[in-house]
Amino acid sequence: SQQGEEDPQALSIQEGENATMNCSYKTSINNLQWYRQNSGRGLVHLILIRSNEREKHSGRLRVTLDTSKKSSSLLITASRAADTASYFCATRGSNYKLTFGKGTLLTVNP
Amino acid sequence: GAGVSQTPSNKVTEKGKYVELRCDPISGHTALYWYRQSLGQGPEFLIYFQGTGAADDSGLPNDRFFAVRPEGSVSTLKIQRTERGDSAVYLCASSQGLAGGSNEQFFGPGTRLTVL
Repeated sequence: SQQGEEDPQALSIQEGENATMNCSYKTSINNLQWYRQNSGRGLVHLILIRSNEREKHSGRLRVTLDTSKKSSSLLITASRAADTASYFCATRGSNYKLTFGKGTLLTVNP
Repeated sequence: GAGVSQTPSNKVTEKGKYVELRCDPISGHTALYWYRQSLGQGPEFLIYFQGTGAADDSGLPNDRFFAVRPEGSVSTLKIQRTERGDSAVYLCASSQGLAGGSNEQFFGPGTRLTVL
């Protein structure tokens, strides 16, 4: 079963704009991770935020986590055409299993 | 060395046939995971190995699915009497599996299984 729900399901923006994706989940977590996937294959790990962290940055990525609302957001600044992909949030509970959402399809138009 | 590799990249089979999907994890990674991704969905957990043993197989949909990792490295996912609903991309991932570690999972490119 899917734990996370990404919002929106699809997002289309122009190059240079910022993209924000949201994720909500249901149960308590150890950490939350964001992944990118191109062409239905090849999941690439982007960033991990632990349950005791509220914000994390990596390059053009900014992730926030609100455990009281069981939600996270991923911000991609100054988007590029190469950022076009599906983005998934995945939560990890007390075991090693990752539970993924359905993903947000981001299209960055040149 | 290289990342996680999976073979074959594509597999087309007929309903009722048996298939084996192979995963080669990153060298030294003790944890190995199988996920299944249907069209338009996120990956769904199938099974997790710590070393040679299946630590959690709660995601396997039924007893037609079985996975092994006899030497704690390469893993094979086996599907008996395939059904059209088994069509999906099967993803393998590995991680260091250290307690308290970040548990970043590195994914392979997947095997696209099509059951006709």
